[in-house]
Amino acid sequence: GNSVTQMEGPVTLSEEAFLTINCTYTATGYPSLFWYVQYPGEGLQLLLKATKADDKGSNKGFEATYRKETTSFHLEKGSVQVSDSAVYFCALVNTNAGKSTFGDGTTLTVKP
Amino acid sequence: DGGITQSPKYLFRKEGQNVTLSCEQNLNHDAMYWYRQDPGQGLRLIYYSQIVNDFQKGDIAEGYSVSREKKESFPLTVTSAQKNPTAFYLCASSMGDRDGYTFGSGTRLTVV
Repeated sequence: GNSVTQMEGPVTLSEEAFLTINCTYTATGYPSLFWYVQYPGEGLQLLLKATKADDKGSNKGFEATYRKETTSFHLEKGSVQVSDSAVYFCALVNTNAGKSTFGDGTTLTVKP
Repeated sequence: DGGITQSPKYLFRKEGQNVTLSCEQNLNHDAMYWYRQDPGQGLRLIYYSQIVNDFQKGDIAEGYSVSREKKESFPLTVTSAQKNPTAFYLCASSMGDRDGYTFGSGTRLTVV
């Protein structure tokens, strides 16, 4: 079956540090891959996506590249801000599966 | 603006009572989903629906029921059979597998 594994948190960084949150997946075929962000007390928001191998999704300074050879979709940002403090979820959808598989989430705290 | 609305934001109920959580979307999305999130944990799928008048059980459907009589609406009933109903409930919708989900802002249910 499908599965998503994220690096365990919490992750604590200083402002302007480089961020990497690792995500690897197991799936048959060619899934679409997503990163979502959740701020305290809110629902999840789609941050970025990639629908085929070697695609790079990007949004708000965050990037992730769909690496089929390593089955990975690591989230990166060059310089984090305090406002980036949130929980980040990696997810995949297999074509026609009708539902996503989510990782357990990684909590990021950025300190000034 | 198009979006997905969950109501109420906070809900308190006595043990043994059924309660219905509302989810409405005006995005013209075919698919809708209900997830449960417990503190510090990931998302668990309760039910999903890919088309009006049809829905499927997710991973933790016991003690819950849904209906999909209209494209825009996907209410979730938490029944007295649900052993531990206190949680944060998230509704989501999607146009297709490659589009990602749009989430509501969630309903926090507390059973006392």
